[in-house]
Amino acid sequence: GENVGLHLPTLSVQEGDNSIINCAYSNSASDYFIWYKQESGKGPQFIIDIRSNMDKRQGQRVTVLLNKTVKHLSLQIAATQPGDSAVYFCAENISRGSQGNLIFGKGTKLSVKP
Amino acid sequence: DVKVTQSSRYLVKRTGEKVFLECVQDMDHENMFWYRQDPGLGLRLIYFSYDVKMKEKGDIPEGYSVSREKKERFSLILESASTNQTSMYLCASRAPGEYYGYTFGSGTRLTVV
Repeated sequence: GENVGLHLPTLSVQEGDNSIINCAYSNSASDYFIWYKQESGKGPQFIIDIRSNMDKRQGQRVTVLLNKTVKHLSLQIAATQPGDSAVYFCAENISRGSQGNLIFGKGTKLSVKP
Repeated sequence: DVKVTQSSRYLVKRTGEKVFLECVQDMDHENMFWYRQDPGLGLRLIYFSYDVKMKEKGDIPEGYSVSREKKERFSLILESASTNQTSMYLCASRAPGEYYGYTFGSGTRLTVV
């Protein structure tokens, strides 16, 4: 179909600052969540995941927070660097028996100013 | 690491042509997926497959078909390309089970003129 010119939400941060990217998910029965990073011209790359029985998980410079009460997921990036500039999107797992498909958010563009 | 390889990074095809987009993964994953990605619309699922010879329609299957003759290969077919199929196409694979993410290929940017 035709692109209607919708724009991604954009977060602009100064190099060295912390970034927080938010995501609202749709299904209260979702049991697994992932954050992906997509750089221009590349496929999405896995950053960090979290299961629904947790509310926080930390990786290297990244932390994911899960609030099931309000169906909200956030990604925190510490000491943001120019290489962090990308589109970030969350995904939730909707189980289909023993299988499951991921449902993706539309993404947030992170722009890091040097 | 799992590798998902899409055969072409860029393709330009004419309206009405039959187009094949190929995807190969090297980790023996059962599950494979085809998405298209358009600005402002995010990732939309076209077709997926949980096993060889098996396929299921995603959210936007119209105008597309797929083939999964071998476990490692999942092909997306545009029977008669149209300009509204100009998009970035992403293939992904996933190990079975609930707590695994997708591994994506680098994408194929298809332009139909």
